[in-house]
Amino acid sequence: AQSVAQPEDQVNVAEGNPLTVKCTYSVSGNPYLFWYVQYPNRGLQFLLKYITGDNLVKGSYGFEAEFNKSQTSFHLKKPSALVSDSALYFCAVRDRADSNYQLIWGAGTKLIIKP
Amino acid sequence: DADVTQTPRNRITKTGKRIMLECSQTKGHDRMYWYRQDPGLGLRLIYYSFDVKDINKGEISDGYSVSRQAQAKFSLSLESAIPNQTALYFCATSGPSGEQYFGPGTRLTVT
Repeated sequence: AQSVAQPEDQVNVAEGNPLTVKCTYSVSGNPYLFWYVQYPNRGLQFLLKYITGDNLVKGSYGFEAEFNKSQTSFHLKKPSALVSDSALYFCAVRDRADSNYQLIWGAGTKLIIKP
Repeated sequence: DADVTQTPRNRITKTGKRIMLECSQTKGHDRMYWYRQDPGLGLRLIYYSFDVKDINKGEISDGYSVSRQAQAKFSLSLESAIPNQTALYFCATSGPSGEQYFGPGTRLTVT
């Protein structure tokens, strides 16, 4: 079965430190991979995606993610965290062969950046 | 995102009432989706549509119905609301690579 795992319910990071939010996936074919962010009382916002090419993808607000095919991971990273990065982060994956364009979602990771 | 709008933003209703949530988009996308979000469960797909003639059930369609009135409009109905349908509901559209764009959400409370 296809699935996405975000192993940490919550990640705590001090402001200015690097952050990593983990995501691993299981799909039958080659994946498209996505990260979204949800601020309180807001809808989800698209951050970045991996389609093909360079394994390191850069996105909005200084975030980047690294696709690792052998480890089936797509971890979200940022070199220096800001308090304003505190939010709920979702990883999602789509099988390229899925013509329904359905995304499979992780359960989300709450990121807390402390001043 | 202003490109995807949802109405109402908040709604309190009683058990057994019929309620409709509306979604409009100006992104010109054919694919539209309805999700519900519950704490700790992430997003679960209720229905999705590829065009006005193509409606598909998602993971949790029981108790819900949808209507695709036009390319830009996709509404979700709860025929007879029950308390465990209390949740945050999101509409989304899909771009060519599959990335989805979300509305601001509707917070629904069923008492």
